[in-house]
Amino acid sequence: DTGVSQDPRHKITKRGQNVTFRCDPISEHNRLYWYRQTLGQGPEFLTYFQNEAQLEKSRLLSDRFSAERPKGSFSTLEIQRTEQGDSAMYLCASSFSQGHSPLHFGNGTRLTVT
Amino acid sequence: DQQVKQNSPSLSVQEGRISILNCDYTNSMFDYFLWYKKYPAEGPTFLISISSIKDKNEDGRFTVFLNKSAKHLSLHIVPSQPGDSAVYFCAALTGANNLFFGTGTRLTVIP
Repeated sequence: DTGVSQDPRHKITKRGQNVTFRCDPISEHNRLYWYRQTLGQGPEFLTYFQNEAQLEKSRLLSDRFSAERPKGSFSTLEIQRTEQGDSAMYLCASSFSQGHSPLHFGNGTRLTVT
Repeated sequence: DQQVKQNSPSLSVQEGRISILNCDYTNSMFDYFLWYKKYPAEGPTFLISISSIKDKNEDGRFTVFLNKSAKHLSLHIVPSQPGDSAVYFCAALTGANNLFFGTGTRLTVIP
């Protein structure tokens, strides 16, 4: 399967703990995106990378959130001191950078903060 | 501020008939529009797109129409099949490559 891969699929954590998610994009894609989706809403943009450079961050991405893509391949999203409001589906997507290219999404990591 | 709106949370259609899903947007800077389909426990899957310089794009049973003056687009599925039952998201893009999504419409195709 050469699609976007996310790990883990599910994460349950206690409030105040740190969590880290991983995304492996489609190998030919040099853009990588993180989105968050809550119940009844569409995905909301968090941040995106072109190769290893983080080019844009949403105001939704508080200082407790950090994303990296150190070698321009896989990416990690870390949430420090989790809060119950962080409970959501975290989606990763990748695309080509030429022109307008559709984003291809992974199956997401569902985070539950208790 | 919801820049992309899908005002119908759900739609039911008989198998073989046409499904029409609607989407409105407010930002005139959007220049590329996409439809995604989402099954439970999966990520959104790209379905079809349209550039703002066009008013129609067709791919098999799926056609997207864009009315820029009304800031409205629609997805037509004909004939509808039970496997089309899913949540459909409309999304819009500016040059900044930040996709704005609507809240989705749940389509149920009744056999």
